[in-house]
Amino acid sequence: DAGVIQSPRHEVTEMGQEVTLRCKPISGHDYLFWYRQTMMRGLELLIYFNNNVPIDDSGMPEDRFSAKMPNASFSTLKIQPSEPRDSAVYFCASRGQGGNEQYFGPGTRLTVT
Amino acid sequence: GDSVTQMEGPVTLSEEAFLTINCTYTATGYPSLFWYVQYPGEGLQLLLKATKADDKGSNKGFEATYRKETTSFHLEKGSVQVSDSAVYFCALRRTGYSTLTFGKGTMLLVSP
Repeated sequence: DAGVIQSPRHEVTEMGQEVTLRCKPISGHDYLFWYRQTMMRGLELLIYFNNNVPIDDSGMPEDRFSAKMPNASFSTLKIQPSEPRDSAVYFCASRGQGGNEQYFGPGTRLTVT
Repeated sequence: GDSVTQMEGPVTLSEEAFLTINCTYTATGYPSLFWYVQYPGEGLQLLLKATKADDKGSNKGFEATYRKETTSFHLEKGSVQVSDSAVYFCALRRTGYSTLTFGKGTMLLVSP
């Protein structure tokens, strides 16, 4: 299995631009999680899906952030407009229905200038 | 709410030294407990887990025992290697819940 795939691995953009991060979970996994990691705040859960349905988005920082999961093999996290304080590493993780372990992707390092 | 507290790092050791990284938690009931490891430039990987009191999780020479009485899950390794240099995260998952609660992570630096 290829594991969780994220793209791009690095993104540099200017303030005000739209940013889209992509994630392909492990085939057969029912849960998908988006996290943000910064030095100041550590690892934060932004949103998670079960069977493509958003279950809890209470961690999404503000309306500039949105996430979708149009099918079982693809999810996006969008920031519009982006701000310098959004600079972080964004991780996607997936988990099977009966499993305990979350499998993390390699992350996308976002820099907003 | 649930919380996980880890010792602050960095923890700096020489190769072959004994490692302990402390982790304590606050949660309702009997959560499952995890240690994840993050190598530089990579995502988190599950290192070991324990699902009930007195369980010992082990992997790659690392061990941790689920201590309900002290609400702790300390990570230990008898002899660290340079390749163990990474950030270690303690986490819990409450029974019936889907999400993990992570500690802030502890950086381990091992020198030759």
